[in-house]
Amino acid sequence: GENVEQHPSTLSVQEGDSAVIKCTYSDSASNYFPWYKQELGKRPQLIIDIRSNVGEKKDQRIAVTLNKTAKHFSLHITETQPEDSAVYFCAVDSGYALNFGKGTSLLVTP
Amino acid sequence: DAGITQSPRYKITETGRQVTLMCHQTWSHSYMFWYRQDLGHGLRLIYYSAAADITDKGEVPDGYVVSRSKTENFPLTLESATRSQTSVYFCASSGLAGNTGELFFGEGSRLTVL
Repeated sequence: GENVEQHPSTLSVQEGDSAVIKCTYSDSASNYFPWYKQELGKRPQLIIDIRSNVGEKKDQRIAVTLNKTAKHFSLHITETQPEDSAVYFCAVDSGYALNFGKGTSLLVTP
Repeated sequence: DAGITQSPRYKITETGRQVTLMCHQTWSHSYMFWYRQDLGHGLRLIYYSAAADITDKGEVPDGYVVSRSKTENFPLTLESATRSQTSVYFCASSGLAGNTGELFFGEGSRLTVL
């Protein structure tokens, strides 16, 4: 199946700083790249997604960038807040489902 | 107005026993999925279904069986539970082909196999 590498596995930032999480994938035919946020003990929820015909997408403090040539995409969170602390998963379409990265545990300290 | 629900939320069983995890969605979504979540592995696809009576294997299907006789239900059965199947199991559904649209996850079922 689609190989999705996600880095870093843990990330600690101070409140107000920016956080960047990167994912690489192997299948050049992939066209859909969502990001999910999972708070402790909760279900994963979609926070932003991007499709292959777009290079960047923003939604308030979060943004995703996509480089199809290099086969990587990134999640950017600006002005981080303690409530951004969670595990973030990138995902890539595999033709029938989503393949997820292993997750990044983000800790935002006040 | 529950959306997608899983039961039981917590289950402790013994090696060799059969366990069924239930998943029910009220949106009439065509696509349903079962993922397992383990530390260090993220979310791995066990089985998926594109419609009633259509199911197929994902990345880690061994030891699991699914069925989908009705659109709204997608039960996952562990025929003979093993300790390696201790995990958190998430059911998900999507109104679009599962690789192109938002997945809506259930709350998860935490299974411990002793």
